Amino acid sequence: AQKITQTQPGMFVQEKEAVTLDCTYDTSDQSYGLFWYKQPSSGEMIFLIYQGSYDEQNATEGRYSLNFQKARKSANLVISASQLGDSAMYFCAMRDREAGNTGKLIFGQGTTLQVKP
Amino acid sequence: DGGITQSPKYLFRKEGQNVTLSCEQNLNHDAMYWYRQDPGQGLRLIYYSQIVNDFQKGDIAEGYSVSREKKESFPLTVTSAQKNPTAFYLCASSIGDREAPTEAFFGQGTRLTVV
Repeated sequence: AQKITQTQPGMFVQEKEAVTLDCTYDTSDQSYGLFWYKQPSSGEMIFLIYQGSYDEQNATEGRYSLNFQKARKSANLVISASQLGDSAMYFCAMRDREAGNTGKLIFGQGTTLQVKP
Repeated sequence: DGGITQSPKYLFRKEGQNVTLSCEQNLNHDAMYWYRQDPGQGLRLIYYSQIVNDFQKGDIAEGYSVSREKKESFPLTVTSAQKNPTAFYLCASSIGDREAPTEAFFGQGTRLTVV
């Protein structure tokens, strides 16, 4: 079965510094997709970044980048130049391939990030 | 603007009552999903639908029911059989093609409390 593990329940970072949120995954598929979502206190899930298993380069979207290490099965999110508005819960997720032709996701437990002024 | 609308934002249910959570999308997405989130936890899939008039159970479907009569709408009913329904419910949609590296879009959620 596929699984996502986020081992950091909570993290603190000083404003303007970079922070890395860890994510490891387990899958027997050769082709898969990994996502990171942000959930502010309002509750909505905001898509941040996507990494395909066959993508040769690490994904980047503005201040977000994904440190993808396929052999280690890790897909860590790096947020550069942290801002107060980055304080939120962050989820790593994988597209569930075992269920067939679906786009449904398997989520990790999440990491709560607090940015200090 | 395209997006997903969930209503209501807050919902209170008495023991033994059924309640229905609304989810509407105007993104022209084929696939829609219902997730449940408990405090400090990740999301767990309740039901999903790839096309109109068809849906499948997710990991925690017991005590829930859905319908998909229109492409835009995917309401979730929390029945009295659901023993612990207090949670945050999120609806999502996606293009649905397994080969497409597209993300799922989420609504703003409904917080259900049993009183």
